[in-house]
Amino acid sequence: SQQGEEDPQALSIQEGENATMNCSYKTSINNLQWYRQNSGRGLVHLILIRSNEREKHSGRLRVTLDTSKKSSSLLITASRAADTASYFCATASILSQGAQKLVFGQGTRLTINP
Amino acid sequence: DADVTQTPRNRITKTGKRIMLECSQTKGHDRMYWYRQDPGLGLQLIYYSFDVKDINKGEISDGYSVSRQAQAKFSLSLESAIPNQTALYFCATSDLTRGRGDTQYFGPGTRLTVL
Repeated sequence: SQQGEEDPQALSIQEGENATMNCSYKTSINNLQWYRQNSGRGLVHLILIRSNEREKHSGRLRVTLDTSKKSSSLLITASRAADTASYFCATASILSQGAQKLVFGQGTRLTINP
Repeated sequence: DADVTQTPRNRITKTGKRIMLECSQTKGHDRMYWYRQDPGLGLQLIYYSFDVKDINKGEISDGYSVSRQAQAKFSLSLESAIPNQTALYFCATSDLTRGRGDTQYFGPGTRLTVL
């Protein structure tokens, strides 16, 4: 089963515009992570936000987390053609022995038009 | 050089064949994971390993087995491949012992097609 549900499933915007993707989840989490995947390639970690954090920035990325609503958003500002990719949220819950289990959403396919 | 490598990158096989996918990492991480991704979907956890002596089933372990030959190597086997195992397979690592284990690092993936 997949906990993270992302919205929208696909997003197409013009270069320079901001892109916002949302993720909702169902159970308690330890942290939430966003990953990027270029077509057919491995996932690349973008940013992690812990359950006690509300907002985090990394370059042109801004992530928010609302644990009361069980939702997160990823904002990419001043988008570039190279940002075209699929973006996945992954919720992390702690397993026994301290390891974490990541549950991935279905992803948002972002297309940046030149 | 990639920190997490997977071999083969692409494989086409027939129903009933035994297939092994291999993953190696140079990150020195303790934890390793195998996921599968179906078209248009997120990743599903197949197996994970905390260290060489520890193997755990994930969400969809049926039809799969794994072997942690060394800290750096984690192999996934399909004993008798079936068409619905056609997918993209990813290996990942993490390192909780260094306090940064919340992040997973993924290999480039293996595209497996079972005819």
